[in-house]
Amino acid sequence: DVKVTQSSRYLVKRTGEKVFLECVQDMDHENMFWYRQDPGLGLRLIYFSYDVKMKEKGDIPEGYSVSREKKERFSLILESASTNQTSMYLCASSLTGEGYTFGSGTRLTVV
Amino acid sequence: DQQVKQNSPSLSVQEGRISILNCDYTNSMFDYFLWYKKYPAEGPTFLISISSIKDKNEDGRFTVFLNKSAKHLSLHIVPSQPGDSAVYFCAAMATSGTYKYIFGTGTRLKVLA
Repeated sequence: DVKVTQSSRYLVKRTGEKVFLECVQDMDHENMFWYRQDPGLGLRLIYFSYDVKMKEKGDIPEGYSVSREKKERFSLILESASTNQTSMYLCASSLTGEGYTFGSGTRLTVV
Repeated sequence: DQQVKQNSPSLSVQEGRISILNCDYTNSMFDYFLWYKKYPAEGPTFLISISSIKDKNEDGRFTVFLNKSAKHLSLHIVPSQPGDSAVYFCAAMATSGTYKYIFGTGTRLKVLA
């Protein structure tokens, strides 16, 4: 089975901190995605990547950046955390044309 | 503009009865659809899919129906079990475009024992 591992299940950060969320997949998937889930808003795409060193903005990229230096790892960076970035963050990976495999999620609280 | 809509934020069903979760989409280019289930504090897990060349796909207690003319799909769970209580997301993709799924806002299903 494909495994998508997110480094932290729960994080608490202070406003203004730089925050790194890490995601690793072990099945050589070329596509990786970062979503956030908020009540009533569903899953909203932040950034995605189709290949190493490639990235594309999703629907809500403001305040975020990403890094994909290796195929298996896709990092989400909050440049200066704000309270409106408190959310559940979900990483996913896929082969092209197939469904996503999601990680367990990181519940981030910004205080 | 929400391209994939789940208009019912929540649904309660008695154990053993049928649960019907609905999803509407606006983009006629969407031709592949998925349903995911999500428990609290866990990532979504894949449930069932359907391609636009079909109008029905079954997997055990789960059946997905697709009505292309109405741009509507539904997930039927029969019989519903308490363990089915979760948030369900539908997702749609246009395979001719970028391989990116658009997700609905989710429906929280509660199956009452």
